[in-house]
Amino acid sequence: DQQVKQNSPSLSVQEGRISILNCDYTNSMFDYFLWYKKYPAEGPTFLISISSIKDKNEDGRFTVFLNKSAKHLSLHIVPSQPGDSAVYFCAGQGGSEKLVFGKGTKLTVNP
Amino acid sequence: DVKVTQSSRYLVKRTGEKVFLECVQDMDHENMFWYRQDPGLGLRLIYFSYDVKMKEKGDIPEGYSVSREKKERFSLILESASTNQTSMYLCASSTGTGYGYTFGSGTRLTVV
Repeated sequence: DQQVKQNSPSLSVQEGRISILNCDYTNSMFDYFLWYKKYPAEGPTFLISISSIKDKNEDGRFTVFLNKSAKHLSLHIVPSQPGDSAVYFCAGQGGSEKLVFGKGTKLTVNP
Repeated sequence: DVKVTQSSRYLVKRTGEKVFLECVQDMDHENMFWYRQDPGLGLRLIYFSYDVKMKEKGDIPEGYSVSREKKERFSLILESASTNQTSMYLCASSTGTGYGYTFGSGTRLTVV
């Protein structure tokens, strides 16, 4: 049972435009949602998180939106830069502290 | 900065060998995790530990074991390596819910 789903394996955008990465989840017990960014041959790095009691969190160019009724969250990157090209993982975290990851979306930002 | 250090970036082992992957963190985190990453499958949890000498199975523990004798060190053991264990292995540590994980740089293991 896939608790966290990232249905788009890849996304391509132009530099300066908005990137929107989507994530759906089935587990209503998640307390937090997190986004990680991963470059090839490196470990994932934490990007931004949101508590399940909030609907938006913003950090510079990165904003995460949470729609609990739809069990959907999205990561917006504005403006997109070539250095943002990476694989982005969405994850849910409940009381057990384990992170449950989606399969990732590969973002390519074209100059 | 929190550091999670994995002992090897690249490893090549033969089928049937016993393989040890070492992970050390320097921030006194209670929780440590081992994941593997495979194309199209994302990050899958192998084992995790909430404290010294404690371990719990993740989603794909078959063929693996772990050891946590000291708080800072969490080892993943492949008892008898097989080609389907060729993967990127990622260690992580955390201090609690809502704080996320800090990952190591990963070990790319190839079993031939």
